[in-house]
Amino acid sequence: NAGVTQTPKFQVLKTGQSMTLQCAQDMNHNSMYWYRQDPGMGLRLIYYSASEGTTDKGEVPNGYNVSRLNKREFSLRLESAAPSQTSVYFCASSSETGAGYTFGSGTRLTVV
Amino acid sequence: EDQVTQSPEALRLQEGESSSLNCSYTVSGLRGLFWYRQDPGKGPEFLFTLYSAGEEKEKERLKATLTKKESFLHITAPKPEDSATYLCAVVNQAGTALIFGKGTTLSVSS
Repeated sequence: NAGVTQTPKFQVLKTGQSMTLQCAQDMNHNSMYWYRQDPGMGLRLIYYSASEGTTDKGEVPNGYNVSRLNKREFSLRLESAAPSQTSVYFCASSSETGAGYTFGSGTRLTVV
Repeated sequence: EDQVTQSPEALRLQEGESSSLNCSYTVSGLRGLFWYRQDPGKGPEFLFTLYSAGEEKEKERLKATLTKKESFLHITAPKPEDSATYLCAVVNQAGTALIFGKGTTLSVSS
């Protein structure tokens, strides 16, 4: 099925460990986004990529890095995980910034 | 500062009992307002986009409307399968990304 694919679906990390969340879309969209969703906080933008080769910070970028590997793929890296990064992470894509998103199914991350 | 506020946080309805969800926004030049549905453990699913005051969109039992300060999602004769969290989001004039409200969790019992 066409859409946005995120891996892994679940992950448990120890404090200080690193990991990369993967995201790929097959809709030929230009723009891609990473959000985190926490109870009572809603969806908050971490980083976005308006087009291949560009990335920009969102509302909550501290502790994260991103790579727009090509038009299809946008990865999110946690260099040294902290318990405050326990959350559900969603990747999304759109044809252009400001257009409606297609979301992935999310990665549920727990940092202990 | 651009902001989206949804109310109520939670809403319980009986099957067939119509109601409305509210999304009020403060944004510098609205380029679009979006409604999404999110089921537990899944990513948000697109429902509607509204662009200008007075615009309305319908899909099955759902109808979205837009004024200059708020949007309503009207649910007519809801069924249990309409139970979900409904998210509202806006795009401002800069148009970099969607700004989301915290959502309204709807529970419909039979």
